[in-house]
Amino acid sequence: EVHVLESGGDLVQPGGSLRLSCAASGFTFSSYAMSWVRQTPGKGLEWVSGVSGSGSDSFFADSVRGRFIISRDNSKNTLYLQMNSLRDEDTAVYYCAKGPRGTAVNYFDSWGQGTLVTVSS
Amino acid sequence: EIVLTQSPGTLSLSPGEGATLFCRASQSVGGNYLAWYQQKTGQAPTLLIHSASTRATGIPDRFRGSVSGTDFILTISRLEPEDFAVYYCQQYGSSPWTFGQGTKVEIK
Repeated sequence: EVHVLESGGDLVQPGGSLRLSCAASGFTFSSYAMSWVRQTPGKGLEWVSGVSGSGSDSFFADSVRGRFIISRDNSKNTLYLQMNSLRDEDTAVYYCAKGPRGTAVNYFDSWGQGTLVTVSS
Repeated sequence: EIVLTQSPGTLSLSPGEGATLFCRASQSVGGNYLAWYQQKTGQAPTLLIHSASTRATGIPDRFRGSVSGTDFILTISRLEPEDFAVYYCQQYGSSPWTFGQGTKVEIK
């Protein structure tokens, strides 16, 4: 059974940094693209970033490009999101989501339960 | 980016009734690459439909997706108690992948 579990959410001050992790199991991790999707009550669901199965290709929403870095360690079956220069508007529940194939990013066939990031002074 | 507008915002229905949810794209969605998700309170979204009309594994056939031009439709033929939730559409035809704002299906 596919399982993904996020961790690392916390309260952080504006301008600060945070790293989220997503541990995956139940599938061949390196064969599938992975993404981060966030959700806020006001803005709903927003795709943030994605990475191909091999880790060679990464994609970002304009709202986070240049501030967030996505990476993966296929030997550890783990996805990461390094978030820098955090802003109030980055406050959200961050979900780790699995794609249906290894290349590009498209829809999401499995989701974790999410981790809460709060950016506030 | 492609903006997805879902309607109505809320549907108030009784168990056993049918539901029709709409998702209109601001421009053509390449390949009709559109997915539908269900989200229950306090839970993560779950995939219902991809490629506009293909049900995900394990999704009952009372859920049906269709498309007409830039209008995508999710039909639930007979609402079961567990179907009352929020439904989102998402396009993956062009980056950035975007979501609609959701339609809440509530018990009348």
